[in-house]
This record gives sequence, structure tokens and C-alpha cells, in this order.
Amino acid sequence: DGGITQSPKYLFRKEGQNVTLSCEQNLNHDAMYWYRQDPGQGLRLIYYSQIVNDFQKGDIAEGYSVSREKKESFPLTVTSAQKNPTAFYLCASSIDRAGQPQHFGDGTRLSIL
Amino acid sequence: AQTVTQSQPEMSVQEAETVTLSCTYDTSESDYYLFWYKQPPSRQMILVIRQEAYKQQNATENRFSVNFQKAAKSFSLKISDSQLGDAAMYFCAYRPLLSGTYKYIFGTGTRLKVLA
Repeated sequence: DGGITQSPKYLFRKEGQNVTLSCEQNLNHDAMYWYRQDPGQGLRLIYYSQIVNDFQKGDIAEGYSVSREKKESFPLTVTSAQKNPTAFYLCASSIDRAGQPQHFGDGTRLSIL
Repeated sequence: AQTVTQSQPEMSVQEAETVTLSCTYDTSESDYYLFWYKQPPSRQMILVIRQEAYKQQNATENRFSVNFQKAAKSFSLKISDSQLGDAAMYFCAYRPLLSGTYKYIFGTGTRLKVLA
């Protein structure tokens, strides 16, 4: 079955540590996205990528980095510069055609140790 | 800047009754798409319904329908014959058609409780 796989489901970060959240899709979608979800704030866009080797900052990119070396993969690194990383992170993808909805992974819960 | 507002943080409905969740948005674009997503306790985001702005007819998917008022920039979701499985967070989302990007803008969500 086609879909989006995020791993791990739960992740813990120590102070000063970088951690990477994985997102893989086998839907052959061109566009991929990373969102952060906090209580009462809905989904906020961190980064998005429309094609391989290209990505754009979203509304809250500070303290995060991404890469898009393969069409099916869009990993997110939460760096030590992100001072409040505790949140639920959702990865999504969509077809490169107007009006197409986003498909989401099951999310990763990141917590600080 | 484009924004999406969901003014009801929480709503309750009796099982088998009808409930309407509100969503308003602000944009200067004329062509765009609107979506409602459901996020149950499992936290998986599920597409409920989609509306194209150039279509005057309101979208319908089984028990879910929308009331799209383009001039008022309003996009409410009506759930008929509410079921216990409808309990979830509901997010309204907007995507412009011609802005040259694929950014989706989400509201802050409405938590729906279904009472047995």
C-alpha cells in the first residue's frame, strides 16, 4: 500500500543534541512538507520541497534543517539551536497539481530529556 | 497575508444530531482550494472534504457537506447524523491556485466531542 512513513514514533533529545526525523513516501509525490503541531496552534509549516534538491523555508524554519536528495525522502533535523523542540511533527506530501490534498504520515513525538 | 480562522476551539454534539464547524479565511486570490481534515486521537490527518473556489456548488461526501460562501470568505463543515467516531480535531485548510507555491495554510482547529 502506498503511503508516508515517519520514524521514529517517539524521540527524545538531550540538551545540545541534533536529532533527525525520517519521512519516506512511496506515493511518487513531488512535493513534501514538514509541520509542527503544538496544542492550540494548529499546524505550522517548517519547510517544504516541491522538487528534488530544492526546498523553501516555511513560517518557523529557525532551528531546523532539511534535505531532499531523493524524491521519496525528506528528513528533518532538529538542531540544538531550536530551544523549544518539544512538539508533534507531521510530514506530508502532495501531487504537483493544483487542488490535490496533502497526505500525511502518522507523526513523530519529540520530547526533551 | 493569507490566514485561516477557526473561531470555535471546541464543539459538542449529541449522537445522531447535526453540527456545523465554522471556518473563515482571508485572501486576495480569486482561485484557490479549501479542505477540511479530521485528526482523531490516533493523530493521523484524514482528508474529509475538498472545495474548489470556482465551483458554486457545495461539496458533499456522505454525511459531510460544506457551506461555501465565497464573498463572505466562509467555509463551514456540516456533519449530519453524528457518530461517536466523528469525535476528533477538525482543521480547515486553504491553498492558493496560482501563487506559484504549494503552501497550505491551516486553521488552529476545532475539537469535536460526540455525546452518547
